[in-house]
Amino acid sequence: AQKITQTQPGMFVQEKEAVTLDCTYDTSDQSYGLFWYKQPSSGEMIFLIYQGSYDEQNATEGRYSLNFQKARKSANLVISASQLGDSAMYFCAMRWYSSASKIIFGSGTRLSIRP
Amino acid sequence: NAGVTQTPKFQVLKTGQSMTLQCAQDMNHNSMYWYRQDPGMGLRLIYYSASEGTTDKGEVPNGYNVSRLNKREFSLRLESAAPSQTSVYFCASRDQGDYEQYFGPGTRLTVT
Repeated sequence: AQKITQTQPGMFVQEKEAVTLDCTYDTSDQSYGLFWYKQPSSGEMIFLIYQGSYDEQNATEGRYSLNFQKARKSANLVISASQLGDSAMYFCAMRWYSSASKIIFGSGTRLSIRP
Repeated sequence: NAGVTQTPKFQVLKTGQSMTLQCAQDMNHNSMYWYRQDPGMGLRLIYYSASEGTTDKGEVPNGYNVSRLNKREFSLRLESAAPSQTSVYFCASRDQGDYEQYFGPGTRLTVT
């Protein structure tokens, strides 16, 4: 069965430090995609980054990068030079090309940035 | 463009009452989704629709029904509300060739 696991319920990080948010997944499919979303306290869902299972390079978007390790089935989000505005819930999500429209989410990590 | 809109924004129901949550998107997207988010938790997929005329169960479909009325609209119905269905409900849509889901603002539902 497909499953997404985020093992860090909460994290505290000092401003300007880098932070890694963990995400592991379980699937027998070979073709899939992984996402990260940010949910600030306002409640909106903000798309951050996407990685396809066949992408050879790790995805990057500004200060966000996805550390994709296919053999370990992990897709960790790395935020460089954290800012106070990065304080939010972060969700890892996954879709499978065999069921291309289905997308499920992990339980999330609450990131708090200390000034 | 309004994006994804949801009505109502807030709703309080008594146990056993029924209601329909409405969702509409104006981006001509094929796929639409309903998720629920319990306090401090992640989003759990209730139902999704890959295209107009099709719907599929997600992770937690029990107690819910959906209708993909047309390409724009995807409604979620609670036939007999239970306190366990107290949650924030998010609708989302996605274009077939796109990665990103676009989310509505959510409906906060309380069942007493």
